[in-house]
Amino acid sequence: GENVEQHPSTLSVQEGDSAVIKCTYSDSASNYFPWYKQELGKRPQLIIDIRSNVGEKKDQRIAVTLNKTAKHFSLHITETQPEDSAVYFCAASSNAGGTSYGKLTFGQGTILTVHP
Amino acid sequence: SQTIHQWPATLVQPVGSPLSLECTVEGTSNPNLYWYRQAAGRGLQLLFYSVGIGQISSEVPQNLSASRPQDRQFILSSKKLLLSDSGFYLCAWSAGPMSPLHFGNGTRLTVT
Repeated sequence: GENVEQHPSTLSVQEGDSAVIKCTYSDSASNYFPWYKQELGKRPQLIIDIRSNVGEKKDQRIAVTLNKTAKHFSLHITETQPEDSAVYFCAASSNAGGTSYGKLTFGQGTILTVHP
Repeated sequence: SQTIHQWPATLVQPVGSPLSLECTVEGTSNPNLYWYRQAAGRGLQLLFYSVGIGQISSEVPQNLSASRPQDRQFILSSKKLLLSDSGFYLCAWSAGPMSPLHFGNGTRLTVT
């Protein structure tokens, strides 16, 4: 099955700096890669996603890049703010052969702390 | 718009007691439904998923079970809870492959 590795496990930055979180996946058939943000005690919420036919996607201060050849994708947050502090999860899913039903396999998460 | 309801929000149960967590989705039909568990605030482990009424796939062998008696209802159960069942349980739905998961607010279960 799919395996997703995420790093770093913790990331500390100063307000205004950029933050980068990287993930690698094992299943070359994976074709959908969402990122979730989870604040303490709350549910994970989708912040951005990318499909395999696209190499990069941006939404204001957030961007995701995908390298299918290397099987890795990254989340970039620019001009970080204290409210960006949270746990971030990457995930990957495949619909190869229609057997996976779009199951998402998650990385282990990155605790991002933005210091004022 | 679609909404997902999950209850209860918190639950404290003794070892050996039964469990029933319920999740319902509104505003969509034939969703894919999922139960995830999150331990110690990190890592989302997929427990069960369902693509239709009565269809349940288990990802991890354990003393938990899931059922989908109606199209938009998903239930997580156990006959006898273990200490290791403590955690944050999240129900989620998606419209299908290559669609995002939408999570419920979660149930924090403590087994004592």
